[in-house]
Amino acid sequence: DGGITQSPKYLFRKEGQNVTLSCEQNLNHDAMYWYRQDPGQGLRLIYYSQIVNDFQKGDIAEGYSVSREKKESFPLTVTSAQKNPTAFYLCASSVDRVNSPLHFGNGTRLTVT
Amino acid sequence: GQQVMQIPQYQHVQEGEDFTTYCNSSTTLSNIQWYKQRPGGHPVFLIQLVKSGEVKKQKRLTFQFGEAKKNSSLHITATQTTDVGTYFCAGGTNAGGTSYGKLTFGQGTILTVHP
Repeated sequence: DGGITQSPKYLFRKEGQNVTLSCEQNLNHDAMYWYRQDPGQGLRLIYYSQIVNDFQKGDIAEGYSVSREKKESFPLTVTSAQKNPTAFYLCASSVDRVNSPLHFGNGTRLTVT
Repeated sequence: GQQVMQIPQYQHVQEGEDFTTYCNSSTTLSNIQWYKQRPGGHPVFLIQLVKSGEVKKQKRLTFQFGEAKKNSSLHITATQTTDVGTYFCAGGTNAGGTSYGKLTFGQGTILTVHP
């Protein structure tokens, strides 16, 4: 079955440490996205990528970094510069960039203490 | 920047009652998408509306896109316990040229259905 795999499901880190969240898709989708979800705030776009080796900042990119070395993979690094990193992180993909429906992974819940 | 407001934030209903959530954009949209997120799960795409005044139905769910393409609604008839979850709208703007067609999510409506 095609889909998006995010790992791990739960992640715990100490403040000041960088952490990388994995996202892999086998849907052959060109576009991939990272969203952050906080209670009562909907989904906010962190970064997106339309093609390999290219990515763009979303609305809340500060304190995050990404790479897109392969079509299937779009890892997100939460750096120590992110002031409030504890959140639910969702990776998504779509066929293309033109408002195509998003397919989401199961998410990673990151807790930083 | 573009804002998408969704109301209400919470809705509690008795099983069998109807439910409606509303979505309003500060700018004209090229399309609107609706997603459902079950408790503890991830958002799942429900439908996309692109035409002014468009109405689409999926069983007990009715989706509308406003004439001005700035608002939308999702109506559920005779709710069931399986309808529990958070419903999000996401407003899309035109891509145009090489720019990205951006989706902006509303805050979501959390639906609770009491049996």
